[in-house]
Amino acid sequence: QKEVEQNSGPLSVPEGAIASLNCTYSDRGSQSFFWYRQYSGKSPELIMSIYSNGDKEDGRFTAQLNKASQYVSLLIRDSQPSDSATYLCAGGFTGRRALTFGSGTRLQVQP
Amino acid sequence: NAGVTQTPKFRILKIGQSMTLQCAQDMNHNYMYWYRQDPGMGLKLIYYSVGAGITDKGEVPNGYNVSRSTTEDFPLRLELAAPSQTSVYFCASRWEDDSPLHFGNGTRLTVT
Repeated sequence: QKEVEQNSGPLSVPEGAIASLNCTYSDRGSQSFFWYRQYSGKSPELIMSIYSNGDKEDGRFTAQLNKASQYVSLLIRDSQPSDSATYLCAGGFTGRRALTFGSGTRLQVQP
Repeated sequence: NAGVTQTPKFRILKIGQSMTLQCAQDMNHNYMYWYRQDPGMGLKLIYYSVGAGITDKGEVPNGYNVSRSTTEDFPLRLELAAPSQTSVYFCASRWEDDSPLHFGNGTRLTVT
């Protein structure tokens, strides 16, 4: 079992809809989670960081963390075609000096 | 701030050649990382460093070497390039364990 798992997609949503991206993890010693967006041919860019249980909102993005159930999610409201990209979930776990990345979910927003 | 700077952006190597991928950061980050990303795949950690003089292997270190003589620089050395090393290489840095990673723009390497 991979330590950080994501559905590879593609996840297809119509423009203006809410896109829901999910990530599960297997290490209970979790400290921090990060969502990155990666456009084709580009480097990953940080969207959200979340450290404690609950929701964290930033503009159209909401990250949700549930440590008891070991999942973290990213909601994108009012999805735009420019949101079409691969979204990477990364976790920071106790005792590890490197983040553990999921393989990414490809999101397609249809105009 | 320039952030994380990688050079070169593109490179074509012949099998058996060697090269160094350069990475520099100006954010005074302690931790630096090298990842590779094959087409359509996720990031794989090659090597990382938690400070000058300290390096450690990631999940795919074979065929690569690193050094960290200063806080700012973390070069990745490829010896005897092989076609399997064709990939996009990303350097990244962060301040400490719970900090997010900041990525460079990547180096696209082709070995033929």
